[in-house]
Order: sequence, then structure tokens, then C-alpha cells
Amino acid sequence: GENVEQHPSTLSVQEGDSAVIKCTYSDSASNYFPWYKQELGKRPQLIIDIRSNVGEKKDQRIAVTLNKTAKHFSLHITETQPEDSAVYFCAASRNTGGFKTIFGAGTRLFVKA
Amino acid sequence: GAVVSQHPSWVICKSGTSVKIECRSLDFQATTMFWYRQFPKQSLMLMATSNEGSKATYEQGVEKDKFLINHASLTLSTLTVTSAHPEDSSFYICSAIVSGEPTDTQYFGPGTRLTVL
Repeated sequence: GENVEQHPSTLSVQEGDSAVIKCTYSDSASNYFPWYKQELGKRPQLIIDIRSNVGEKKDQRIAVTLNKTAKHFSLHITETQPEDSAVYFCAASRNTGGFKTIFGAGTRLFVKA
Repeated sequence: GAVVSQHPSWVICKSGTSVKIECRSLDFQATTMFWYRQFPKQSLMLMATSNEGSKATYEQGVEKDKFLINHASLTLSTLTVTSAHPEDSSFYICSAIVSGEPTDTQYFGPGTRLTVL
């Protein structure tokens, strides 16, 4: 079945350093790849997304890359700040045969001041 | 962006009782909504797809007789956990889709924390 693998499960970085989270997906029909930030007890918040016709997208300190051939996509956070500490989820969505999103297992990011 | 609300935000109930959770799209119509369950320190797991005016589509392993879904209008879907037990304690999150090109966009509700004693 459809699957999204996410690594690492936990990531600890020093403030100011970069953080990279990687995901792979299995469903070839996936064409939309959102990234969510979730703080404890709250809803997932969309922070950036990328569509299958684009290889890279950047929004200030956050960037996402997509390699559709390899079915890999990654989140890059530069100049990390303590407030970036949260759980980050990647997801792969498709629209064909009905909209469906599969989430990765999540990465708990700790940014140490 | 689109707003999705959930009610209640938290609920505590006794084992064996039923609990209803509402999911509403506040400023748009949603023909499709989704129900997810999230256990502590785990990811969001899709339970079912709620379709307005028709039966919900349940994911493998989710008991449709235990998790009743009703999508009676274009702005409201309800999830009823019947005969709840402690193992049903979880964070339940709904989402709704806003149609767009090239793909639809998913908006999440704030979640409902269910604790079954």
C-alpha cells in the first residue's frame, strides 16, 4: 500500500545551524507534497508545500526539494531558532481517484539555544 | 485561508458511552472531509473519508460500526465513537478539502482530545 517514510525521527541542532528532514514515498500518483509543523496538542500547520511539477521551493528560512524520479523530498530549515522546535510531518497527496494524504511518521526537532 | 472548526476541543467520558465530535467548515463548503486519529508521539493516521450525502469510506482496520461518520451537509461532518473504551483515547483531527488547481488544499481542524476512563 501507500507509504511515506521519514527520517530522522529525532533531530537536535544548535541554534543557528541548519536542519534537514528527508522523506520517501511509494505512491507514483502522488503529486502534492506538503510539510506540516505541529506543536504539542495543536493542529498541524502547513509551513510549505511543493507540487510535482516543481523541483525546489523556498520561503525565507525554509526550503523544500523534490526528486520525483527517486520519490524523495526534503525539508531544509536554515538559521534555526528555538521557536522552530516542534514535530514536523511530511506528507504525500494525490488527487486521482479521490484526494488522499499519507503522512510520514514525524520528526521531533529540538533547537538548543 | 479556509477555517475548519471542531467541537468539542476535549472530552472525558466513561467506558461504554458514546461520544460525538463535530467538524465544520466555516467559510466554505466541503463535499469531502477526512477524519484522522493521532496517538501520543505518533503520526496522523487516516481513519475515513467522509463524503457529503453518501457513506464514508473507511481505511483498512477501522471499524465502521464503532466509528460512525455522518456528513449530512456541505459544512458538517460528525464522528461518533460508540461504546468508547480506554484504547480509543486519542487526538481526533478532521480536515476538509478546498478545491483548486493544480491540486486541492487540505485544512485541518484544531483537534479533539478524547479521554475514556
